[in-house]
Amino acid sequence: AQSVTQLGSHVSVSEGALVLLRCNYSSSVPPYLFWYVQYPNQGLQLLLKYTTGATLVKGINGFEAEFKKSETSFHLTKPSAHMSDAAEYFCAVSADSSYKLIFGSGTRLLVRP
Amino acid sequence: EAQVTQNPRYLITVTGKKLTVTCSQNMNHEYMSWYRQDPGLGLRQIYYSMNVEVTDKGDVPEGYKVSRKEKRNFPLILESPSPNQTSLYFCASSSTAAYSGNTIYFGEGSWLTVV
Repeated sequence: AQSVTQLGSHVSVSEGALVLLRCNYSSSVPPYLFWYVQYPNQGLQLLLKYTTGATLVKGINGFEAEFKKSETSFHLTKPSAHMSDAAEYFCAVSADSSYKLIFGSGTRLLVRP
Repeated sequence: EAQVTQNPRYLITVTGKKLTVTCSQNMNHEYMSWYRQDPGLGLRQIYYSMNVEVTDKGDVPEGYKVSRKEKRNFPLILESPSPNQTSLYFCASSSTAAYSGNTIYFGEGSWLTVV
């Protein structure tokens, strides 16, 4: 069975600082991995996804994530945080004939002026 | 514009009063599903549908019903809501099953409070 662990329910960074949101997964088969963002009072928006091929995936708004099979990780990064990045971020995995995404518990990113 | 539309967006209701949350997508997607989001638990799948008249239970189906009579619509029915169904609900759709890696599109969410 697949599962996702997001380390840190809240992450606080200063504007302009590096953003690092951690995601580890477990899967018995090669996974497909996703990061979604939820801005206040809005739905989920896909930031980026890894299916096959290049392990460094670039997404929208300057975010990127690297699939590391040996570490079973898919951490999300952004070199320089912006106030508009404040939101909740969800890592998700799908694999193994599943009709669903399995989500982590989410990480709320706070950006300090 | 590709959209998944849910209604109502916000609802406060009383225990036992039947309600329906509608969901419609304009992308001609075959796969649709419902998730609920609760603090600290992320999103969990309630029900999903692979096509018209084909539905199946997700991880937390108790207390919910669904139907898929048309490809574009996938309503969520709470026959007798209870306070533990207070949650944020998301409808989602995709052209293929989740395990294909294709993007899943989500609606804007429906805040439901049962008192």
